[in-house]
Amino acid sequence: GAGVSQSPSNKVTEKGKDVELRCDPISGHTALYWYRQSLGQGLEFLIYFQGNSAPDKSGLPSDRFSAERTGGSVSTLTIQRTQQEDSAVYLCASSPASLGIDTEAFFGQGTRLTVV
Amino acid sequence: GDSVTQMEGPVTLSEEAFLTINCTYTATGYPSLFWYVQYPGEGLQLLLKATKADDKGSNKGFEATYRKETTSFHLEKGSVQVSDSAVYFCALSDRGGGADGLTFGKGTHLIIQP
Repeated sequence: GAGVSQSPSNKVTEKGKDVELRCDPISGHTALYWYRQSLGQGLEFLIYFQGNSAPDKSGLPSDRFSAERTGGSVSTLTIQRTQQEDSAVYLCASSPASLGIDTEAFFGQGTRLTVV
Repeated sequence: GDSVTQMEGPVTLSEEAFLTINCTYTATGYPSLFWYVQYPGEGLQLLLKATKADDKGSNKGFEATYRKETTSFHLEKGSVQVSDSAVYFCALSDRGGGADGLTFGKGTHLIIQP
């Protein structure tokens, strides 16, 4: 497809388990972002990848969260030892370059994570 | 740091009513401003944007003007439709090219009743 694709669309996991969320950005987009949308909250920035540069991990809430981007394309967000407060919709976005005057971010439909 | 504040929802209006959703921001640089919309069951979509002071973004009958003097980017539509029911997010991107991308408000849930 032409858009940002995320999988799975829904994930229910038990507290303490590890989960992996996948994002396929739009082909050719060098920038990739992960955000978290918690109930009643806005979108919280998690991590940003730009090309082959080291990612900006400043938004990751704890060391249980990590992300990688292989070959400058697909990205995986991993949450270890999940907690109930990790329940949220995790959104991925990509853009042709760093966000600026003439670029916009395109979002996937998100992965709804529920930790029980 | 950068931040965006938008009016709390839900906002409930009748069809053909006039809509205003307030948005104000704080930023260290000269940000670009955006409104994103999330329709039920769909991903975030860019609705409109403005990249410098006094610019007006417009799309699908919605408008927002970049007001530097009041640090605002209020969303307006003259006559809303049921199909406009969605969650609307105001956002900014610091023109300094900050690696944290977009800073979002908490979103305003808009409900249009027939």
